Amino acid sequence: DAEITQSPRHKITETGRQVTLACHQTWNHNNMFWYRQDLGHGLRLIHYSYGVQDTNKGEVSDGYSVSRSNTEDLPLTLESAASSQTSVYFCASSTSSVPDEQFFGPGTRLTVL
Amino acid sequence: GEDVEQSLFLSVREGDSSVINCTYTDSSSTYLYWYKQEPGAGLQLLTYIFSNMDMKQDQRLTVLLNKKDKHLSLRIADTQTGDSAIYFCAEGEGGYSTLTFGKGTMLLVSP
Repeated sequence: DAEITQSPRHKITETGRQVTLACHQTWNHNNMFWYRQDLGHGLRLIHYSYGVQDTNKGEVSDGYSVSRSNTEDLPLTLESAASSQTSVYFCASSTSSVPDEQFFGPGTRLTVL
Repeated sequence: GEDVEQSLFLSVREGDSSVINCTYTDSSSTYLYWYKQEPGAGLQLLTYIFSNMDMKQDQRLTVLLNKKDKHLSLRIADTQTGDSAIYFCAEGEGGYSTLTFGKGTMLLVSP
């Protein structure tokens, strides 16, 4: 069965370290998204991609970067982790059909100490 | 920019109906969505409605859309304890567009 996976599921890191969160989908979807979920803020879009070599900034992109070298993967990198980036991170994917249902991964809980 | 607002919490008894409300600001929204998030999991699409529809029914779920007031509601009939979750309203234009999510409504169903 097609799926979308995230790794690691839990991560604790220190302020200033570089961290990469992995997202892998086997749906063969063109579109991939990264969100963060925080109490009081709901779900906010960080970065997204409509295909290989395409990346776009979302609402809260500062301090994050992504690259899309193949269809299946969209890794999210925190260049220099900050305590404000402690959050639960969700990856999602979709086709470009309408309606554009997004399929979500199980999430990565990141703690920055 | 676009904004989607929801009440944050709803508590009902098992067997009652639940109504979760949402308002949005983007008049160009083509589709409006309801996603469900169970504890410790990602979001899953529950249902959606096209913006030229007033109502959509899917088993225990009824979605009502008032386009003039930009108001969307999700009614769950005969609510069960398994319906306890966070429900997100989202809007989008479809195809190559992003979704804007509300903050989510936590539904608690007590026996």
